[in-house]
Amino acid sequence: AQKVTQAQTEISVVEKEDVTLDCVYETRDTTYYLFWYKQPPSGELVFLIRRNSFDEQNEISGRYSWNFQKSTSSFNFTITASQVVDSAVYFCALSDPASSGTYKYIFGTGTRLKVLA
Amino acid sequence: DTGVSQDPRHKITKRGQNVTFRCDPISEHNRLYWYRQTLGQGPEFLTYFQNEAQLEKSRLLSDRFSAERPKGSFSTLEIQRTEQGDSAMYLCASHRQASSYNEQFFGPGTRLTVL
Repeated sequence: AQKVTQAQTEISVVEKEDVTLDCVYETRDTTYYLFWYKQPPSGELVFLIRRNSFDEQNEISGRYSWNFQKSTSSFNFTITASQVVDSAVYFCALSDPASSGTYKYIFGTGTRLKVLA
Repeated sequence: DTGVSQDPRHKITKRGQNVTFRCDPISEHNRLYWYRQTLGQGPEFLTYFQNEAQLEKSRLLSDRFSAERPKGSFSTLEIQRTEQGDSAMYLCASHRQASSYNEQFFGPGTRLTVL
């Protein structure tokens, strides 16, 4: 069965602190895709990053970085020097077409990040 | 703006009424998905179209729900005899078959409130 777990329900940090959002996934397949999305209060889902299961390179984009570790089935997201505008709910998602037969996403329950000024 | 639009953005209705939502995907995207997001939860898959064919329906999609995608372009999601438990954000996403990463582009959602 496919599953995504985001154990951190809510995190509060003070501006300029670094913060890591955890994501653990479950799948039986070797080919799958992982994503992070940001959902600000307005409600739309904003794409942040995608990764396929064959690419374990970590990635950095400005203040954002992602650590993909197949050995622990984790795809964690770090924001460096957090800013108030980073306040949002962040979702990790898994797409596992081999098992599901479609490219539908399985989302975690999200982590609400509050960055305090 | 991802290029996926949804209408209306907000809908308030009374219990028992029927509602219909529309999604316009990115024009060259042949796959279209509907998700439902309740308060404090992640989006959950409802149904999926490839062109005009509805290929999968979640068990969340009760018989009061029906979705269509005539001519493989826009899609509609209708809820009949709405219940308070239907209150949620309904999200549409589109995706182009054979894209290398399977990235879905989400619309802004339709927030439904059933009184």
